[in-house]
Amino acid sequence: DAGITQSPRHKVTETGTPVTLRCHQTENHRYMYWYRQDPGHGLRLIHYSYGVKDTDKGEVSDGYSVSRSKTEDFLLTLESATSSQTSVYFCAIKGLLGELFFGEGSRLTVL
Amino acid sequence: DQQVKQNSPSLSVQEGRISILNCDYTNSMFDYFLWYKKYPAEGPTFLISISSIKDKNEDGRFTVFLNKSAKHLSLHIVPSQPGDSAVYFCAARRNTDKLIFGTGTRLQVFP
Repeated sequence: DAGITQSPRHKVTETGTPVTLRCHQTENHRYMYWYRQDPGHGLRLIHYSYGVKDTDKGEVSDGYSVSRSKTEDFLLTLESATSSQTSVYFCAIKGLLGELFFGEGSRLTVL
Repeated sequence: DQQVKQNSPSLSVQEGRISILNCDYTNSMFDYFLWYKKYPAEGPTFLISISSIKDKNEDGRFTVFLNKSAKHLSLHIVPSQPGDSAVYFCAARRNTDKLIFGTGTRLQVFP
């Protein structure tokens, strides 16, 4: 158990509404990541953070923003949700050997 | 541009037999490779990894083989068990860079 909690676990929203997903960790890890998982695409990196207030884009960052105001929390925001952002979102932290430990996921449906 | 490819979306194996999951990559600079296992409604979990300085790493029933000249790695599961039924992702990275994931292979182990 890597001490990662994602919330909400499930959310249904409408196109154009803002959505924020939260990732909370309890083990003071420096690196945190947001991935999305879609059929046929595997896991794709959206954004990551390498410290408080230090974030960078991944391969599919358009339409997403992130914030990390304290070590334990990494927020993913969809400013105006679209149907293409319907997905399962996973937060991850980086272990000592560079392996990632994932949370249980947040399933988002945008109608 | 898919740098890490898993060309078999699914694999079905009888219990007790060997499961072989394959992964190809295009970036010769990758130096660390990992396999993850994912059950439905759960986050991916780290399974086994291998550094590019090795060609084999074994952990119980799981063995990962790396063929650098062919840019190919494989995961062998012997003997396969019904509890191994899951989606398996391979991943690769260069130095301490971000992990790049394949699209996954769904393994079904039947009695």
